[in-house]
Amino acid sequence: QSVLTQPPSVSAAPGQRVTISCSGSSSNIGNYYVSWYQQFPGTAPKLLIYDNNKRPSGTPQRFSGSKSGTSATLDITGLQTGDEADYYCGTWDSSLNAGVFGGGTKLTVL
Amino acid sequence: QLQLQESGPGLVKPSETLSLTCIVSGGSISSRSYYWGWIRQSPGMGLEWIGSVHYSGTTYFSPSLKSRVTISIDTSKNQFSLNLRSVTAADTGVYFCARRGAEPWFDPWGQGTLVTVSS
Repeated sequence: QSVLTQPPSVSAAPGQRVTISCSGSSSNIGNYYVSWYQQFPGTAPKLLIYDNNKRPSGTPQRFSGSKSGTSATLDITGLQTGDEADYYCGTWDSSLNAGVFGGGTKLTVL
Repeated sequence: QLQLQESGPGLVKPSETLSLTCIVSGGSISSRSYYWGWIRQSPGMGLEWIGSVHYSGTTYFSPSLKSRVTISIDTSKNQFSLNLRSVTAADTGVYFCARRGAEPWFDPWGQGTLVTVSS
């Protein structure tokens, strides 16, 4: 069981918008920045969002992140079939004194 | 452009030690600003944080693995290593190395290496 909770799957049609949630607690999301990763099958994860809402160069503006209290959200607008992947949130946990990830969310673009 | 590459045996026997090395190129591992980490992914499962090391020698480990893990850094070779002792089949998976920012983000990642624990 992951420390951070994500929905196992989400789906939407091309062109639509989808939101992926990441729920934690005061020992992790509540006090630390959140990052998001995109992973295609058989490949390494790629940093998509860092420091809650910053995009590395190369991340399209269609991807945005936010945080409120002990939850974080990844928003994807203008969905494309190429966005089908697994998405993970991550942060630090002060109780564990360790990094933590969510269980991952599989995005299906119908 | 910073690149990381994992290397090590793809097959380890139960009860033995899993040893992997991550070679860093295109940048110095001796940067004060970054940690260097290991993350693994069991087949069909999510990401699991293993631990991180700073060039100063400071380390952090997952509580669930702490008793079996050592992470070391060799600044002269610009690489860092993972040792996981007393492995079982549950340790089978893809092991990734990555650079960790001061805030807990990981970028870039190595391509990953599959390690199977089997006799």
